Amino acid sequence: GAVVSQHPSRVICKSGTSVKIECRSLDFQATTMFWYRQFPKQSLMLMATSNEGSKATYEQGVEKDKFLINHASLTLSTLTVTSAHPEDSSFYICSAVNSNQPQHFGDGTRLSIL
Amino acid sequence: QKEVEQDPGPLSVPEGAIVSLNCTYSNSAFQYFMWYRQYSRKGPELLMYTYSSGNKEDGRFTAQVDKSSKYISLFIRDSQPSDSATYLCAMSARPRQLTFGSGTQLTVLP
Repeated sequence: GAVVSQHPSRVICKSGTSVKIECRSLDFQATTMFWYRQFPKQSLMLMATSNEGSKATYEQGVEKDKFLINHASLTLSTLTVTSAHPEDSSFYICSAVNSNQPQHFGDGTRLSIL
Repeated sequence: QKEVEQDPGPLSVPEGAIVSLNCTYSNSAFQYFMWYRQYSRKGPELLMYTYSSGNKEDGRFTAQVDKSSKYISLFIRDSQPSDSATYLCAMSARPRQLTFGSGTQLTVLP
């Protein structure tokens, strides 16, 4: 089946650090990638939709200057959390989709800001 | 009212039981329906994908969609401890952007 790889799986860093998370589709070309945030015991909250070669579309309430998304190729999207603070600590998950197929998810990145 | 309602559980069943998980929704435009399984500290894994109404079976899993009632179900037969996870329903009007339920936490006791 479709495989989406997300790296790193765990990040612990100091407040003020910028953190980059990579999302790769390993066996298909992803025309669209999505970035989600998930708090403990809650469902996924869509942050932004990323189409290859164009600017990401952010959901209401998500700061685009805080969460920078780059989708430079059909197999790679990155999310950079700039100047991260403790309230940014969360589980970040990406997904990738090709054409009209369902979304396939990465294994998530657990971000902890001290 | 949320667009998708899902009982959060937790749900505990003995090994071998039949598990029934359900979601209701309000948006009549939804026509793509999915069930994802999420283990702790992992991303969601696609279990079942159906379009419009009807049933779909894959091994021990059966997904049902009743668009007239705006109700979808996932049945797990002969449940195993390895099925213990959070199950998320998801749906959309178009294939790409999903609306998720809140997830049901399932524990299958050996």
